[in-house]
Parts: sequence; C-alpha cells; structure tokens
Amino acid sequence: KAGVTQTPRYLIKTRGQQVTLSCSPISGHRSVSWYQQTPGQGLQFLFEYFSETQRNKGNFPGRFSGRQFSNSRSEMNVSTLELGDSALYLCASSLGSSSTAHEQYFGPGTRLTVT
Amino acid sequence: AQRVTQPEKLLSVFKGAPVELKCNYSYSGSPELFWYVQYSRQRLQLLLRHISRESIKGFTADLNKGETSFHLKKPFAQEEDSAMYYCALKAGGTSYGKLTFGQGTILTVHP
Repeated sequence: KAGVTQTPRYLIKTRGQQVTLSCSPISGHRSVSWYQQTPGQGLQFLFEYFSETQRNKGNFPGRFSGRQFSNSRSEMNVSTLELGDSALYLCASSLGSSSTAHEQYFGPGTRLTVT
Repeated sequence: AQRVTQPEKLLSVFKGAPVELKCNYSYSGSPELFWYVQYSRQRLQLLLRHISRESIKGFTADLNKGETSFHLKKPFAQEEDSAMYYCALKAGGTSYGKLTFGQGTILTVHP
C-alpha cells in the first residue's frame, strides 16, 4: 500500500505571496488532517477533512484554509504569507469513519520557507 | 481546551538501562492517548495507544487518570530506540482526526 504523499517537498516563497500544498492519502482513507510543525510551537493541528467536509479546525487565522476532493486528496492554502509561516507542514490520513480515533499515517511533510 | 506536556526535551540513557518518557495531560473528559515516534529521516508513526494496552518494541504505557499521565516505559533500552517521541491526545466527542501533541522528547541511547 502506498503511503501518504505530499507535494511539493520543499517550497520557498516571499512574504505576501500565497501557497498551495497537496496531500494524497492512503487509498481507502477518507480523513485527512493537517499539522504545522515549528521548533518553537511543536506540532499544531490546523484542520481535518472527511468526505470533502471540514470536520475540525485548529486555532489558526483565516489565511489558512483547506479543501478535500472527492478522491480524498486534500490541499491546504496559505494566503498573504508571513515569515512566521515558515514551517514543516504535515498531513496525516486515516480511515476516520467513527469517533474512535483511527491510526493516523503521516506524510513526509512539505518544508515551507518564507523570505 | 486540552494540553499535553512532555517535561523532558532531551533524555539520555545507556543501552540496557530502563527508560521512562514522561507525559502529562490536561483534559476534563475521557481522552485517548497515543505515543508517536519519529526515527531519524523517517516519518512520524504510531508507536502505541492506550486503548490497545499492548507492548510494542518492548514499550508500554499506562493511562493514569488520577495523575493525568501516560508515561512511556521500556525496561531495557536499545540503541535503535534513539528517536523523537511525541505524546498525543485525542479529546472525546467529535474530535475525530484532531490530535494535540506534546513538544516531544529526544531519546538518545548510548552504547
């Protein structure tokens, strides 16, 4: 079974620009969660999508948004980039079909650098 | 809101020594607790979860609701256990795919 894939793996953007990151879950997984990882804040939950609907949202500003497609692939978008958005963005997929937490399988991450 | 605290950023032990990675949480409901591990140049992966009550790679963790702790233990550490360990919590109700992580502990096992 192919693992979670994320593209691109590395990205350099300038302040004020916007960026779109992509995540392809494991086949059959319908839930995709996104996390931001920084040295200072650690791993922080951004949002989760299940069956094309946002099911949970973390405490991030509205500049961070996401969506999920009918094939469960997900994208997240960050508009008006700030230096503080530099981070490793991880996505994780799971079956996600019940309230009991299914194991989350993580992708390799996208390293975003904002200059 | 829930919170997970891992008080040790770094932990060093010698091979064959016991190891305990501490995890404390704050949450008013009934949480699900997990330990995730990230080996060098590998992805974050699930090590164990409290509802399974199983031992993985010799590691065990018991949920202590009275002390709100979920410490990870192994009686005899091995060099291959060197990694970053994260404790994570899923709140009850509709939290589904939302995990709250601790800051992580880097475990180094010396030969």
